[in-house]
Amino acid sequence: GAGVSQSPSNKVTEKGKDVELRCDPISGHTALYWYRQSLGQGLEFLIYFQGNSAPDKSGLPSDRFSAERTGGSVSTLTIQRTQQEDSAVYLCASSPPARGFGQPGNTIYFGEGSWLTVV
Amino acid sequence: GIQVEQSPPDLILQEGANSTLRCNFSDSVNNLQWFHQNPWGQLINLFYIPSGTKQNGRLSATTVATERYSLLYISSSQTTDSGVYFCAVEQSYNTDKLIFGTGTRLQVFP
Repeated sequence: GAGVSQSPSNKVTEKGKDVELRCDPISGHTALYWYRQSLGQGLEFLIYFQGNSAPDKSGLPSDRFSAERTGGSVSTLTIQRTQQEDSAVYLCASSPPARGFGQPGNTIYFGEGSWLTVV
Repeated sequence: GIQVEQSPPDLILQEGANSTLRCNFSDSVNNLQWFHQNPWGQLINLFYIPSGTKQNGRLSATTVATERYSLLYISSSQTTDSGVYFCAVEQSYNTDKLIFGTGTRLQVFP
C-alpha cells in the first residue's frame, strides 16, 4: 500500500487476555518502529527493527510485551495478560534504508495507530 | 539516555498570529525531525532537519546542532494548525531510533 497500515484500528479487550497488533510497513522500508502513546502524552519508544540486525528492544515496558518482524516486512506486537495500564494508542512507523554508516537517518512515516482499550 | 524537552507545553493563538516552538536536547544528535499530530491522532512529518534552516510554506525550522536546540516557526497561523507538535532526535550514528520530545499542544482559534 501507499502508507503504513495497522490493524486493528480499535481493540477492546478484557484484562488478562492476550492481544496482537499488526503493522504492514511501506514497501521497501527496512526500518520499522513501534511506539506507544497514552492519552494526552508523548510517544514512548517500544522497539525498533532495522533490516536483518537484532532488534532494539530497550523500550519494551515488561516481559508481557514482545514483537516480531517476519521476512523483513510485516510486524506483530503481542501483549500478553493485558492490564488496564496497557490502554493506549500503539503506533507503528517505517523508514527507508539508511543512506550509509555515519550518514543521517531518514524521514519516518507513521501509521494511524491501533487504539487499545483494556477493560 | 538523551533528554528532549519542548516548550512551551501549551500554546493558544488567534488565527493569523505567529509562533515559535522550541526543542532542546541534551546530547549530540544525528537526526532531528519535527512532526505534527492532528486532533485525530495522525502523525505527519514536517521537517527532517539535523542542522540548518528549511522552509515549507508558512512553516520553517532551524536547528543549531552545536547549541543543541531546534526551533519551529509557524507564521499566519490557521485553525488547521491545531494539534500537538513533536520534535524527535536520533542520538547516535549507530541507531536510527528516534526519541520523541514532550510535545507542544497548539490551539488556534478563529
